[in-house]
Amino acid sequence: GAVVSQHPSRVICKSGTSVKIECRSLDFQATTMFWYRQFPKKSLMLMATSNEGSKATYEQGVEKDKFLINHASLTLSTLTVTSAHPEDSSFYICSAHRQGASGELFFGEGSRLTVL
Amino acid sequence: KNQVEQSPQSLIILEGKNCTLQCNYTVSPFSNLRWYKQDTGRGPVSLTIMTFSENTKSNGRYTATLDADTKQSSLHITASQLSDSASYICVALYNFNKFYFGSGTKLNVKP
Repeated sequence: GAVVSQHPSRVICKSGTSVKIECRSLDFQATTMFWYRQFPKKSLMLMATSNEGSKATYEQGVEKDKFLINHASLTLSTLTVTSAHPEDSSFYICSAHRQGASGELFFGEGSRLTVL
Repeated sequence: KNQVEQSPQSLIILEGKNCTLQCNYTVSPFSNLRWYKQDTGRGPVSLTIMTFSENTKSNGRYTATLDADTKQSSLHITASQLSDSASYICVALYNFNKFYFGSGTKLNVKP
C-alpha cells in the first residue's frame, strides 16, 4: 500500500535554531500534502495545506513566517520551524492526498519536536 | 458550517467486549468518509473509507456504517483487544478537495 515517510521522527534542538521536517510520499505523486500539529491528548490541528509548485495555504492563526512550507516536488514537502522556541515543542504530522476515485489520505508517522 | 463531531470523547471497555463509536457530519457536498486509528505517538492509519453510496464496510473486527441521509457514521469494534486502545478519528472529505476532521474518540481497552 501507499506509504508516507516522515523524517526525522524525533528531534531535539536549542531555542533559536531552525528545524526542518520532511514528508515524502513513497509510491505515489501527491500534489497536495497537509501539515498538522498535535498537542498531548488533543486532536490533530491542521496547520497548512501544501500545494506542489505554489504557496502553501495556512490556517487561521498559524504564522507562515514561523512555519515555512515548501512543496518543490510531487513527492516531497518540508516544514521548517524557524527560530524555534519551547512553545513550538509538539508532535507534527504530515499527510499526503492521493487523488483519484477514493481520494485516499495517507499519514506520516509524525515528528516529535522538543525545543530546549 | 462544515464540521464533523464525534462521540463519545472517550470510552473505557473491557477486553473482549464490543463498542460503537459515533460520527456526525454536516459536510456538504460530501465526497467520502473515513475512519482512522491513531496510536499514541504515531500517525493515523486508515481503517475504512466509504462513499455516500456505501452503507457498510468491514476491516477485520472493525465495521463502519454510513447513513448519508442522516449524515451519521459509526465504527463498531468487535471482540476488543488491548491493542485497540487508541484514538479513532472520523474524517469527511468535502467536494473531493478539503478534509474535515472530528476531534476523535479515545478508546481504552482494559484487561
